[in-house]
Amino acid sequence: DQQVKQNSPSLSVQEGRISILNCDYTNSMFDYFLWYKKYPAEGPTFLISISSIKDKNEDGRFTVFLNKSAKHLSLHIVPSQPGDSAVYFCAARSKGGSEKLVFGKGTKLTVNP
Amino acid sequence: DTAVSQTPKYLVTQMGNDKSIKCEQNLGHDTMYWYKQDSKKFLKIMFSYNNKELIINETVPNRFSPKSPDKAHLNLHINSLELGDSAVYFCASSRRGSVDEQYFGPGTRLTVT
Repeated sequence: DQQVKQNSPSLSVQEGRISILNCDYTNSMFDYFLWYKKYPAEGPTFLISISSIKDKNEDGRFTVFLNKSAKHLSLHIVPSQPGDSAVYFCAARSKGGSEKLVFGKGTKLTVNP
Repeated sequence: DTAVSQTPKYLVTQMGNDKSIKCEQNLGHDTMYWYKQDSKKFLKIMFSYNNKELIINETVPNRFSPKSPDKAHLNLHINSLELGDSAVYFCASSRRGSVDEQYFGPGTRLTVT
């Protein structure tokens, strides 16, 4: 039962252009969403998050958009840089203060110079 | 000055053996986690401890037993290893109540032959 889905296993963009990574969820109890970035042979690192009371959160080149009615969120990276090449995981947390995160399968982003 | 460290990084063993993976964090966090990333790339939580107390225990075979000697350490012991246990195991930590800022270790790749 995939509660968090990242339907694109990979994405390739040119340096300087925008990267858009998508994530869909099915559980309406999710109230907090996060994006993690993972390089090979390393653990995931926290990138950006958004609460369900917001529809947008921006941090430098990274912006996360949340569409609750569609149960969809996206991560925009602009401009994309070769160092952004990594696997990006979408994660979600349920209401109630549980420490548990549910992760998607990840999308491998390749930014070409 | 590694924040979350795991040993060993690679572990190759035969079915039926018992093995342990160690995790240490020097961030002063109260909560620690074990995740499993299987061949389908899903990152799933297995256990979570807060101040040496078990707070999350997902549906994991009882062959897996976490042990937290103190809040800076969370070790994972696996008895009677099976082929399906082959995966990458990640340890993580966070401040209590700060699910978003989970800091992950580099992972331990376990291969059961």
